[in-house]
Amino acid sequence: QPVLTQSPSASASVGGSVKLTCTLSSGHSRNAIAWHQKQPEKGPRFLMKLNSDGSQTKGDGIPDRFSGSTSGAERYLTIFSLQSGDEADYYCQTWESDSVVFGGGTKLTVL
Amino acid sequence: EVHLLESGGGLVQPGGSLKLTCVGSGFTINSYTMSWVRQAPGQGLEWLSGIFIGGSTFYADSVKGRFIISRDKSNNMLYLEMNNMRPEDTAVYYCAKDRIRLDGDWDIDYWGQGTLVTVSS
Repeated sequence: QPVLTQSPSASASVGGSVKLTCTLSSGHSRNAIAWHQKQPEKGPRFLMKLNSDGSQTKGDGIPDRFSGSTSGAERYLTIFSLQSGDEADYYCQTWESDSVVFGGGTKLTVL
Repeated sequence: EVHLLESGGGLVQPGGSLKLTCVGSGFTINSYTMSWVRQAPGQGLEWLSGIFIGGSTFYADSVKGRFIISRDKSNNMLYLEMNNMRPEDTAVYYCAKDRIRLDGDWDIDYWGQGTLVTVSS
């Protein structure tokens, strides 16, 4: 079963950008992942599916400020033109045929 | 527009049972893989169970043998029956829908708002 590793926290300033990382465990570097945003008191929100080749499929209404990229076993979520409303927990998710795995999440603070 | 709405949460004693319901609108639950995911206080997201279009069901080890996922085609509902509950089951429970109609591709694209379950005496 794959394991997803995320840094616990990140911070960046309003108007700036931030790159969040999700690392797939050994043997799973070709897995697709999904990125989800979780704000307090709200249900999670699907941001995008990110394939190993870097291609991405975004969720409904997700702005172009959110972009995904790939390098080997690493999957990235870059948020440009940060807004205070982007402050949230960000989770990556992957799967095998019979189960789903989430990373531990990254808490993004927008300064 | 796709919408998921969970209900059925509440306070239950250790060893007790509870059944959660998720009503889908804007799509047909039977036509997509569906999942239940929870978030315990201060913790991350944890996948619990899923059901394929074909009806196969899957469970995380933490709930296997205690929780049962099912669906009702006529009412477009997804259920999670929770038995022998433990304090560590205290969490907000979410139902989630897959993006495409393909079993085995657990590509979640919509979530409900969640329902709180508290297990305590």
